[in-house]
Amino acid sequence: DTAVSQTPKYLVTQMGNDKSIKCEQNLGHDTMYWYKQDSKKFLKIMFSYNNKELIINETVPNRFSPKSPDKAHLNLHINSLELGDSAVYFCASSQGGQGRNSPLHFGNGTRLTVT
Amino acid sequence: GDSVTQMEGPVTLSEEAFLTINCTYTATGYPSLFWYVQYPGEGLQLLLKATKADDKGSNKGFEATYRKETTSFHLEKGSVQVSDSAVYFCALSTTGNQFYFGTGTSLTVIP
Repeated sequence: DTAVSQTPKYLVTQMGNDKSIKCEQNLGHDTMYWYKQDSKKFLKIMFSYNNKELIINETVPNRFSPKSPDKAHLNLHINSLELGDSAVYFCASSQGGQGRNSPLHFGNGTRLTVT
Repeated sequence: GDSVTQMEGPVTLSEEAFLTINCTYTATGYPSLFWYVQYPGEGLQLLLKATKADDKGSNKGFEATYRKETTSFHLEKGSVQVSDSAVYFCALSTTGNQFYFGTGTSLTVIP
């Protein structure tokens, strides 16, 4: 009964390749997010979708493109991968419509290594 | 803008020691405050939360009190265990759609 699941858990690829990470939540939440965590554990918001609409789009290279086919799914596609893209990517969800009291629920992360 | 500042680590404690991890915040509205814990190789899990001033969040022996006058939400535990070794994140939300995280504090508890 995993709440937020993302695949794959590990992704090793070469520079210049295109890859996707998938995320699904079964919590009935209306808001989903992608975060990037660097080697120092710093978390950076990348994107947020509310009911399939993009609401947060931080300064992220346009090689990163989120896609939300429905409110339970938020996938991340990355074009032309670079060494600096190596990180752990976390998907998360919340019931944003309930306001500030609703916490984030995180997936277990995808460790991306670009060689 | 809204932000969270938490004490830098790493923190190393002996088992049964007292733990405090400091967290202060800046917010334009009335935020909810959260502590998340990240165990090695896992995602972040909600540890506790508080939604208004003077609220105390607690879970698994951890506590934090929402102090509006000092804009703080320090995490405490009276007696840490080896299994508490993890990275701890303080966070706030003012709208429910935007969350601000601190930089994380790594805790290692040695037997």
